[in-house]
Amino acid sequence: DAKTTQPPSMDCAEGRAANLPCNHSTISGNEYVYWYRQIHSQGPQYIIHGLKNNETNEMASLIITEDRKSSTLILPHATLRDTAVYYCIVRVAPPKAAGNKLTFGGGTRVLVKP
Amino acid sequence: EPEVTQTPSHQVTQMGQEVILRCVPISNHLYFYWYRQILGQKVEFLVSFYNNEISEKSEIFDDQFSVERPDGSNFTLKIRSTKLEDSAMYFCASSVRVGTDTQYFGPGTRLTVL
Repeated sequence: DAKTTQPPSMDCAEGRAANLPCNHSTISGNEYVYWYRQIHSQGPQYIIHGLKNNETNEMASLIITEDRKSSTLILPHATLRDTAVYYCIVRVAPPKAAGNKLTFGGGTRVLVKP
Repeated sequence: EPEVTQTPSHQVTQMGQEVILRCVPISNHLYFYWYRQILGQKVEFLVSFYNNEISEKSEIFDDQFSVERPDGSNFTLKIRSTKLEDSAMYFCASSVRVGTDTQYFGPGTRLTVL
């Protein structure tokens, strides 16, 4: 699976949009971008994933650049409960799923401030 | 909303003792996983399990570890002879399908080896 690079930390004001960048310059055509978050040592929580089109769900939006070398997770109106470590993970698509494991990096520690 | 559950939430044991960590995956899921996170470190993949056999395991998953699906609902991780370095959060996850299918995580079991 391709390597990802994320800033180690960022602050965000409550009520504002949080834009979390991720670089995955070695991503290949059959690899998906996944985002998870972990709130204070709880189990990782799935947020969203995409291949090449932008995606939106009730939690967030995912913007993937046209060359797919980077992406941005957008939390539209950050709340204090969004304080967490956010992980950007690239996974290969089936059938070469390499056992399906998720490889977590260090993620971005997001602190939402009042 | 269905969720993965894990018991106990916290397990304290003496070095050399056997422990069994229990997980109840989401009911229609077919793929099961264990991950662990040592305090302050990354989430690490241990093992994936499908159709009553291990699909993939990491280097961490040595002969001291075993997994089992003893019935139609539980998925267990056994550590035969615990070591101090086994102290960590252990997360169970499950997914419906292989590949890029979303994995959903449980809340974790904190294992403390004294």
